[in-house]
Amino acid sequence: QQQVKQSPQSLIVQKGGISIINCAYENTAFDYFPWYQQFPGKGPALLIAIRPDVSEKKEGRFTISFNKSAKQFSLHIMDSQPGDSATYFCAAVNNTDKLIFGTGTRLQVFP
Amino acid sequence: GAGVSQTPSNKVTEKGKYVELRCDPISGHTALYWYRQSLGQGPEFLIYFQGTGAADDSGLPNDRFFAVRPEGSVSTLKIQRTERGDSAVYLCASSRGTAVSPLHFGNGTRLTVT
Repeated sequence: QQQVKQSPQSLIVQKGGISIINCAYENTAFDYFPWYQQFPGKGPALLIAIRPDVSEKKEGRFTISFNKSAKQFSLHIMDSQPGDSATYFCAAVNNTDKLIFGTGTRLQVFP
Repeated sequence: GAGVSQTPSNKVTEKGKYVELRCDPISGHTALYWYRQSLGQGPEFLIYFQGTGAADDSGLPNDRFFAVRPEGSVSTLKIQRTERGDSAVYLCASSRGTAVSPLHFGNGTRLTVT
């Protein structure tokens, strides 16, 4: 399958800190880049998304930065909270409407 | 309204048996997706329906896997001659139109093949 590479695999952050998760892709047919959040025992839920014609999108404490030329994008979680502890997946949608997920980052935020 | 419902939530079966996994999407959602998620991995695309037809089934691993959506609503994922390697959480998602619309996921069916 077409790949979306995600790092790090796991991340530990103190409460109030910034969490940063990075993703990279190769297929230029990808034209929509969502981030999903998953809690144990639950399905993933859409967190925030961006299109490649925008370099940054911010929603509350969550920001996506997008670098089209480098084919990289990242999620920044400002003022991280224990309730943000979850697994985060970057993803990409291609021109056939297939949503491809990254391998996931397990985030733990400690008080 | 109700979210995406998947039944059963857990299924234990013996190697070689046949299983069916059901997905009830959000009412009015035309697109339906099946994914498979192994422990510690991201969801892996299996198949995508737009209405009653399979728009993309390129993720089905082999011919033991088959999915239907006969009336454009409920979908069933069918696995024949199950193997231990089929053990995973099978996730279903629906959306209003395409993958650019938010995908709403169910909580999955955890399949264990013994």
